[in-house]
Formats: sequence, structure tokens, C-alpha cells
Amino acid sequence: DAGVIQSPRHEVTEMGQEVTLRCKPISGHNSLFWYRQTMMRGLELLIYFNNNVPIDDSGMPEDRFSAKMPNASFSTLKIQPSEPRDSAVYFCASSLNREGQPQHFGDGTRLSIL
Amino acid sequence: DAKTTQPPSMDCAEGRAANLPCNHSTISGNEYVYWYRQIHSQGPQYIIHGLKNNETNEMASLIITEDRKSSTLILPHATLRDTAVYYCIVRVNMNYGGSQGNLIFGKGTKLSVKP
Repeated sequence: DAGVIQSPRHEVTEMGQEVTLRCKPISGHNSLFWYRQTMMRGLELLIYFNNNVPIDDSGMPEDRFSAKMPNASFSTLKIQPSEPRDSAVYFCASSLNREGQPQHFGDGTRLSIL
Repeated sequence: DAKTTQPPSMDCAEGRAANLPCNHSTISGNEYVYWYRQIHSQGPQYIIHGLKNNETNEMASLIITEDRKSSTLILPHATLRDTAVYYCIVRVNMNYGGSQGNLIFGKGTKLSVKP
């Protein structure tokens, strides 16, 4: 079975550029999560969607960050303009929104802003 | 969410069972115990979860004590590919939003499987 698919796996770009990260959740899952992981701060939840609707974006660090989920099989996380402190590994996870159901993670996008 | 306590590191010989403990003495009656692992440069991988009863799947077994204040993840025949950081998480429901949607992984247990 296909897991959560993220693209690109690696992204290196210069500060000020727009960055778009993509995620395809597991088919049938109706909850989607975007996380960011750094050595200093560990794993942080950025935003959470349920049935394509953003439920909580309180973890989004600034207005430079935005996320969309136009349909049940696709989500994007956009950073514009990007800054060096945005460098991190960004993970997408999905789950079936029922009690006890676990989140399943993609392999992440390693983002480096120069 | 109940706080969990795990040993920082453990070693295990290849082919032997790896038993990873987790203390969660403040767990509530409706909180589940989840186990994940993260291998360097990969995303967190779900392993197993349970509420009250012991659970087994193709990857591992989860033993939860009768008072639910601790649990043990068992990898029955550890291989070198099982070397990873293992996280025990206690949650009511992984799919609540807001702060309850956040997975607090903590520091976990670094398991080293040696030949």
C-alpha cells in the first residue's frame, strides 16, 4: 500500500525565493498534518486539516507560511519569501479521524535556505 | 497528555528480542499508548498502539501492565535495520486539533542493534 508521499525530498534555494512543498495523503484518510522538525525544537505541528478544512493553524510561524488542501488527495505548504531560519525537515502525516487511529508520516522534505 | 519516561539508550544483539520500556504513571483511562520510531533522515514510523489489552502486529508486540502505568514494546527478533530512536506517546485521540493534534515525541530511546 502506498504511504504518505511527499515531494520534493530535498530542496535547496536562496533566501527570498518561494518554496512549495507537496503532500499526497494515504487514500481514505481524512485528516492531514504538516510538521517541521529541527534539532533545536524537535517536531512541531504547523497546521492540521480535517476533511480538507484547516482546523488549527496556530503552529504556523508567520504569515510567510501558508497551507492549502484543495481536495482529499493533495496538500501544499508554501513559504514566501523563504528565510535561512526556515531550513528544516518538513513532514506531512495523515490519519483516519477516528478514536485511536494513528498518524502515518511521509519521508519528509529536507529544506535548505541559503 | 500523560507524560512518558523512557531510558535514553539501549543495546540489543542481532536476532535477540528487544524490550523497550515506557513509564506513563499518570495515564488516564481513555488514553492510548502509541509507539513510533525514527530512523535517521526518515519520517517517524508508526509501530503499534493499544488501550488496555496487549497487542501484536507484524512488527512488534505491545505489553501494557494491568494498572496501565507502564508498557513494553517488544521487537521479537531485532535486526540491524531496527536501529532507531523509539518513542512512546500517550494520547486520548491523535486526531484532535490544536494542541491536542501535536505529537510530543520527547527524547525517546535510542536502540542500537549490534551484530
